[in-house]
Amino acid sequence: RKEVEQDPGPFNVPEGATVAFNCTYSNSASQSFFWYRQDCRKEPKLLMSVYSSGNEDGRFTAQLNRASQYISLLIRDSKLSDSATYLCVVNKGTYKYIFGTGTRLKVLA
Amino acid sequence: GAVVSQHPSRVICKSGTSVKIECRSLDFQATTMFWYRQFPKQSLMLMATSNEGSKATYEQGVEKDKFLINHASLTLSTLTVTSAHPEDSSFYICSATLRASTVNTIYFGEGSWLTVV
Repeated sequence: RKEVEQDPGPFNVPEGATVAFNCTYSNSASQSFFWYRQDCRKEPKLLMSVYSSGNEDGRFTAQLNRASQYISLLIRDSKLSDSATYLCVVNKGTYKYIFGTGTRLKVLA
Repeated sequence: GAVVSQHPSRVICKSGTSVKIECRSLDFQATTMFWYRQFPKQSLMLMATSNEGSKATYEQGVEKDKFLINHASLTLSTLTVTSAHPEDSSFYICSATLRASTVNTIYFGEGSWLTVV
């Protein structure tokens, strides 16, 4: 089993749609979780950290389910500019982080 | 502004030569930096952990003699791809962790596209 798993997609959704991605992780001791966004041929950029109680930042909502060992990202009212690859990141040990393969999102006009 | 700076952003080299990529943390000290490699349409794969003042820790399957890592100061780590071959062509990216009281945040350099011809 991979340490961090994501559905690679692509998820093709119309503008204005709501879309959700899940990411499962294998290490029950993991404590830090993030969603990063990566545009084509660019470095990943932090979208949001994921907190135990769940957190929201504008149109983006992240949640953590420790019992089932997954995190989720919900995007509401999708914009064309949301088209990117979304990477799930989970810590392994104190400062080492493992990346999922990423989920590609295409928002269509 | 950039928190982690990486240079060069693009480099083309001949097969058999060596290439050095620099990663700098700006305005903060990074005792640990990480080097990743990303092939097209694949995820970032951790290559090694760069530790200031000591040897790097390499992930399984990564040749330490081919990918030389030096972390001579708290703000600079370098990755040297020695005797590069076309299969080493990839996107190399470094990261550093900014430690905070509540959560550590990973910042990435801008990445370096290496093409070996």
